[in-house]
Amino acid sequence: LAKTTQPVSMDSYEGQEVNITCSHNNIATNDYITWYQQFPSQGPRFIIQGYKTKVTNEVASLFIPADRKSSTLSLPRVSLSDTAVYYCLVGDINNAGNMLTFGGGTRLMVKP
Amino acid sequence: EAGVTQSPTHLIKTRGQQVTLRCSPISGHTSVYWYQQALGLGLQFLLWYDEGEERNRGNFPPRFSGRQFPNYSSELNVNALELEDSALYLCASSFGDRVEQYFGPGTRLTVT
Repeated sequence: LAKTTQPVSMDSYEGQEVNITCSHNNIATNDYITWYQQFPSQGPRFIIQGYKTKVTNEVASLFIPADRKSSTLSLPRVSLSDTAVYYCLVGDINNAGNMLTFGGGTRLMVKP
Repeated sequence: EAGVTQSPTHLIKTRGQQVTLRCSPISGHTSVYWYQQALGLGLQFLLWYDEGEERNRGNFPPRFSGRQFPNYSSELNVNALELEDSALYLCASSFGDRVEQYFGPGTRLTVT
């Protein structure tokens, strides 16, 4: 099971782009990278998932270098409502049981 | 489409008592996951059920148990409650072994 390392916290201002990097040095061939967002007293919400290169959806982009030992979640033009904890998970997409380790996450604070 | 639902929303118990938490997955989802999130901490995986079977278990004592019913709803039982069991208990569901998990709002358990 690949272990992930993320910064504990980050600060940003409204309108800025935020990049949160996750390290996963022992990622396995079958592992995918998934990011979740969690607001206080709520369950996490799926943001984005990828295997390699770049994935983009309506809320974020995920950049994964060729060696896949890290990944970067990019949030364009953040707003105050993006203040939350962001979790990076790594695991085998064909075995959901491997995607069950949530690390400490990154606490993002967006300031006006 | 209704999301994952959990009941009750809040619960207060005393040490030594037993508690049962309930979760209804999204219609069509066959996997249910239970997590514990103590105040200010990350999510700790408790149990994973799929098609009525326990598939994986986190590092929790045997007094944490559960089951999944034929309609895929699930219960989490905690016996002999201890003060440190006070936490937000989150249930998530997914379709089969797909990695993307959808979380419920959680049950806030307070043990006094």
